[in-house]
Amino acid sequence: GAVVSQHPSWVICKSGTSVKIECRSLDFQATTMFWYRQFPKQSLMLMATSNEGSKATYEQGVEKDKFLINHASLTLSTLTVTSAHPEDSSFYICSARSGRLNEQFFGPGTRLTVL
Amino acid sequence: GQNIDQPTEMTATEGAIVQINCTYQTSGFNGLFWYQQHAGEAPTFLSYNVLDGLEEKGRFSSFLSRSKGYSYLLLKELQMKDSASYLCAAVRSNDYKLSFGAGTTVTVRA
Repeated sequence: GAVVSQHPSWVICKSGTSVKIECRSLDFQATTMFWYRQFPKQSLMLMATSNEGSKATYEQGVEKDKFLINHASLTLSTLTVTSAHPEDSSFYICSARSGRLNEQFFGPGTRLTVL
Repeated sequence: GQNIDQPTEMTATEGAIVQINCTYQTSGFNGLFWYQQHAGEAPTFLSYNVLDGLEEKGRFSSFLSRSKGYSYLLLKELQMKDSASYLCAAVRSNDYKLSFGAGTTVTVRA
């Protein structure tokens, strides 16, 4: 299957700082990338959909000014958690989809801990 | 709207068979995925069904009935490493968004 990478795999930051997470499709062009958040023992919750060259669409209840998404190329999307607070601590997972398939390929996830 | 239901937990012994059921109500339904997720890791793809019927892939099989809004994942010859959370997810045709169920935690005991 296709490979999606995320960087960093884990990050610890102080409250009030901003954190950028990168999601890359390594061997295919991703027309769409999705960002999910998963709290312990809960399922994946879709945060936003990112299409290359256009603004991301956010799910209800997700603050677009807090979670900035940039999809600058067909292989890279970034999620920036601005002014992070302890309640933002979570497992953030991206997935990428090529134009031809319904399947989404998941990155390995980024564990964010805000102190 | 989306509504995906699956059992919370299941326990089985090594070598046994376990069936995880998933019911869904999804507008613009365009297929059902099953993923396996070990603690602290991202989901890994197991199967995708878009047509009715059974898809077999080694020890894992997945079934879909679109008319009933129902799917199941069958795990045969259970191994200890199969202990994980299993997520069913329905995909919508218009925007390809996945709606996940809460996940079923399967515990395999010796």
